Amino acid sequence: DAKTTQPPSMDCAEGRAANLPCNHSTISGNEYVYWYRQIHSQGPQYIIHGLKNNETNEMASLIITEDRKSSTLILPHATLRDTAVYYCIVRVDTNAGKSTFGDGTTLTVKP
Amino acid sequence: SQTIHQWPATLVQPVGSPLSLECTVEGTSNPNLYWYRQAAGRGLQLLFYSVGIGQISSEVPQNLSASRPQDRQFILSSKKLLLSDSGFYLCAWRRGRISGNTIYFGEGSWLTVV
Repeated sequence: DAKTTQPPSMDCAEGRAANLPCNHSTISGNEYVYWYRQIHSQGPQYIIHGLKNNETNEMASLIITEDRKSSTLILPHATLRDTAVYYCIVRVDTNAGKSTFGDGTTLTVKP
Repeated sequence: SQTIHQWPATLVQPVGSPLSLECTVEGTSNPNLYWYRQAAGRGLQLLFYSVGIGQISSEVPQNLSASRPQDRQFILSSKKLLLSDSGFYLCAWRRGRISGNTIYFGEGSWLTVV
């Protein structure tokens, strides 16, 4: 699986958009980009994923660059409950479906 | 709907004692199952995964073992715990043989070896 690089920490004001970047310059054509988040002492929670096109769901939007070497997770209106560690991972959807999680970005939403 | 349960939620064990963490998935069949470990303040390390009953793949050499005695049951074990085995252990599942699907995690088990 391709390695990802994320900033270790970010701050965001409550009610503003949070834009979390992820670099995956060695991504292969058949690797998906996934985003999860982990609130302290809980299991990671799935947010969104994509292959080539931008994606949006009720939680967030995922913007993938045309060359697929980077992506941005957008939380449109951050709340205090969005404070968490956000993980960007890329993986091939083989049968095993193994996923490698790095250290992620700690997002702190401030009032 | 599918659910995943793991237990116990927390445990404190002395060095050299055995370990058994259990995980079960409900509402699906033939899932892929995973055990991850997370050290304090760090990302998740994949320990084991299984694509079927009795099929276990180990990702890193260690003091732990895994077993899958039933389709939706995954067990993490150790015969003799080390201090370095302390951490947050997470069980996870996903639908196998389907592309673009995600992994779902249990609530985790905190292990402190003393």
